[in-house]
Amino acid sequence: GESVGLHLPTLSVQEGDNSIINCAYSNSASDYFIWYKQESGKGPQFIIDIRSNMDKRQGQRVTVLLNKTVKHLSLQIAATQPGDSAVYFCAEFSETSGSRLTFGEGTQLTVNP
Amino acid sequence: GAGVSQSPSNKVTEKGKDVELRCDPISGHTALYWYRQSLGQGLEFLIYFQGNSAPDKSGLPSDRFSAERTGGSVSTLTIQRTQQEDSAVYLCASSPLGEGYNEQFFGPGTRLTVL
Repeated sequence: GESVGLHLPTLSVQEGDNSIINCAYSNSASDYFIWYKQESGKGPQFIIDIRSNMDKRQGQRVTVLLNKTVKHLSLQIAATQPGDSAVYFCAEFSETSGSRLTFGEGTQLTVNP
Repeated sequence: GAGVSQSPSNKVTEKGKDVELRCDPISGHTALYWYRQSLGQGLEFLIYFQGNSAPDKSGLPSDRFSAERTGGSVSTLTIQRTQQEDSAVYLCASSPLGEGYNEQFFGPGTRLTVL
């Protein structure tokens, strides 16, 4: 029989372009925000995190921006490469909610050569 | 060094059967987490172990789900009388410390299919 699953938001870019992946969060009390990359058949891999008292943090080819006013988080990937193709999840951590991470729905990034 | 490992990588079972999923955390990590990822969705927290403290079981969806962690290392997630809606990828993660924010390192997951 036919299987039906939820469709992730998708972003398709050309190799070498910059990518911006967005995430809306709900808990204004979150202390940290984290971006994970998940390739097919693998577990999530940490990319970068940002503390809630910051609005920008840079890593290697990645930048995370945090806008607490509108509860919005973004991940910018510079010079996107085919190896960046994956599902990207944002996650929240709150000290008052225990040590769990709360994950967003994910965005499928496809990089076309 | 070795990362988080999980076994089996794939498990197919019949509705009503019990299954056990295993997680070997990174050596020395005191905190261990189980999450569930249904098709095309984000990760859903199930349970968290920290040292000798009582586990946080608040994410377990029903009493058919249980987990234990022996000797502060290996953990087993058990699902009794499996249902088709239990089909998902079960992910384990560990972190060096459980108190406060620490990076969580994930294993490759166990894909469970309940027929």
